[in-house]
Amino acid sequence: GEDVEQSLFLSVREGDSSVINCTYTDSSSTYLYWYKQEPGAGLQLLTYIFSNMDMKQDQRLTVLLNKKDKHLSLRIADTQTGDSAIYFCAERNNQGGKLIFGQGTELSVKP
Amino acid sequence: GAVVSQHPSRVICKSGTSVKIECRSLDFQATTMFWYRQFPKKSLMLMATSNEGSKATYEQGVEKDKFLINHASLTLSTLTVTSAHPEDSSFYICSAGTSGADTQYFGPGTRLTVL
Repeated sequence: GEDVEQSLFLSVREGDSSVINCTYTDSSSTYLYWYKQEPGAGLQLLTYIFSNMDMKQDQRLTVLLNKKDKHLSLRIADTQTGDSAIYFCAERNNQGGKLIFGQGTELSVKP
Repeated sequence: GAVVSQHPSRVICKSGTSVKIECRSLDFQATTMFWYRQFPKKSLMLMATSNEGSKATYEQGVEKDKFLINHASLTLSTLTVTSAHPEDSSFYICSAGTSGADTQYFGPGTRLTVL
């Protein structure tokens, strides 16, 4: 079945880079997403990548996709305290466009 | 960008009552809306997928008679939690997308507390 796995916690110092990793099992996924959730709020779409791409960069965010290993990562350059949040990766199911979410990685940025 | 709103943002109700949550796409027409449930410190669990004008498709284990979903227009879907019990207390989030679109846009969520 479909499964998306993430590590639960990551702690970095302000100004450092953060790398959040995600693995998935559905090789037919067409899109993979990164969402950010702040406490008590909904999900904010950060970026997404089509499955035939290896990399996508958008300002401080870089997404790397290794389709062979079914591994997705999100790199945040020059991490700020405002980046502290839970980050979810998700894959898009071909059946009806459902999103399958990972457990979320709680990023803590220390000054 | 696309904006999705939810109302109310927070609701407290007594056990046995019904609660309706609205999800609206404010600046686009959503052919498909999704309803999720999120427990504290947990991932999102898809409850159902609703397409405008047709019956919702519920995920396995979700009681369709308890969680009534209506998607009567291209900008509004509602989730009604009937005969709510304390175990229904949760954070309910909707998302909306257009047919064939790459992305879903999420609402801010509704915190339901059943006493």
